[in-house]
Amino acid sequence: ETGVTQTPRHLVMGMTNKKSLKCEQHLGHNAMYWYKQSAKKPLELMFVYSLEERVENNSVPSRFSPECPNSSHLFLHLHTLQPEDSALYLCASSQIPSGSYEQYFGPGTRLTVT
Amino acid sequence: DAKTTQPPSMDCAEGRAANLPCNHSTISGNEYVYWYRQIHSQGPQYIIHGLKNNETNEMASLIITEDRKSSTLILPHATLRDTAVYYCIVRSPEGDMRFGAGTRLTVKP
Repeated sequence: ETGVTQTPRHLVMGMTNKKSLKCEQHLGHNAMYWYKQSAKKPLELMFVYSLEERVENNSVPSRFSPECPNSSHLFLHLHTLQPEDSALYLCASSQIPSGSYEQYFGPGTRLTVT
Repeated sequence: DAKTTQPPSMDCAEGRAANLPCNHSTISGNEYVYWYRQIHSQGPQYIIHGLKNNETNEMASLIITEDRKSSTLILPHATLRDTAVYYCIVRSPEGDMRFGAGTRLTVKP
């Protein structure tokens, strides 16, 4: 595997379910990100992890719970979601935020909450 | 981070150069201009970035005006596979990536 991978690619879950999204990066980066892209809306930054420490949480509801066990893996744990949480969830990675760098994105997980 | 303004949509003929403009009149001295694109329902793809000088890579060229208040992404020979939403983003070295609505580029045969 190369680059940034995400599993599953598609997920349908009920509002009472608990599920997790997984992201893995094979680029040797030390920062990872979760973004949400709802229909017809720009990408919204949800969480930022730098050196496995959460450095930013953009007022995301507690029903979304991130976990970064090491610099290569990032999870987004989901519970009691709402239909409006249906969206494309994108993971990205980069070097530590300093100087000039770019983020590399995974293919995303298309989540549908029923 | 500075805000950017892009046209919502543009068309380009296949094989011709696609020139995508971006205004960032409030850009600060240490802020970079980044370009990404997103093909339908895929993750955004990094294209190019620059600070002050024009930049070129295998995908595109980035032209930044001398006052840095605007820039243009140039795809020299657009193909049908370049049809995507193109995002211009201005960010500081410590800042986050803030995506706007972007420009939907349609390359036509």
